[in-house]
Amino acid sequence: DAGVIQSPRHEVTEMGQEVTLRCKPISGHDYLFWYRQTMMRGLELLIYFNNNVPIDDSGMPEDRFSAKMPNASFSTLKIQPSEPRDSAVYFCASTPARLGLATDTQYFGPGTRLTVL
Amino acid sequence: LAKTTQPISMDSYEGQEVNITCSHNNIATNDYITWYQQFPSQGPRFIIQGYKTKVTNEVASLFIPADRKSSTLSLPRVSLSDTAVYYCLVGDIGIKAAGNKLTFGGGTRVLVKP
Repeated sequence: DAGVIQSPRHEVTEMGQEVTLRCKPISGHDYLFWYRQTMMRGLELLIYFNNNVPIDDSGMPEDRFSAKMPNASFSTLKIQPSEPRDSAVYFCASTPARLGLATDTQYFGPGTRLTVL
Repeated sequence: LAKTTQPISMDSYEGQEVNITCSHNNIATNDYITWYQQFPSQGPRFIIQGYKTKVTNEVASLFIPADRKSSTLSLPRVSLSDTAVYYCLVGDIGIKAAGNKLTFGGGTRVLVKP
């Protein structure tokens, strides 16, 4: 398997523009996560999906951020309008489902480095 | 919500054992403890996971005391390539209703010197 795929790897945009980040999870993984990483705040969980349904979006910073998972093999994180403080590395991760309650190993993508000017 | 606390950084030398302790005083019954390693410009990578006592794999050992309020990642005989940030993750994604949330610690930056 190719692992978790994210695109683009780098994105530079101007304040006010819409930004869409894309993620393809590992096939067969039922959970998908979006994280944001900055020097100041470290690695933050933004939202996660189970079987394409958003389960917990309490980490989404504000209404400018939205995430969708239209099918099991694709998810997007959209920022509209973007602001300079959104500059960060955004990671997508996926994990397989298991029986019982446990934190499954997450497989992270390479990340998208977003710069908002 | 299990908040985690780790040392910000630690230095070591090649061949030494590195022990990183993560505090998670509010760990819940269903929470597992997972450690990840992150190199620059890469996503975090799973190292080891445990619930209680001791877990060992080919890369590391994880020690968890009986009260589970802390855990210690042990890296035996580190090399220069072990220089990375190490994250302690405590959580359970099984039930939304319980308000469970995955929590990454701030990470510990380990520098291995020659």
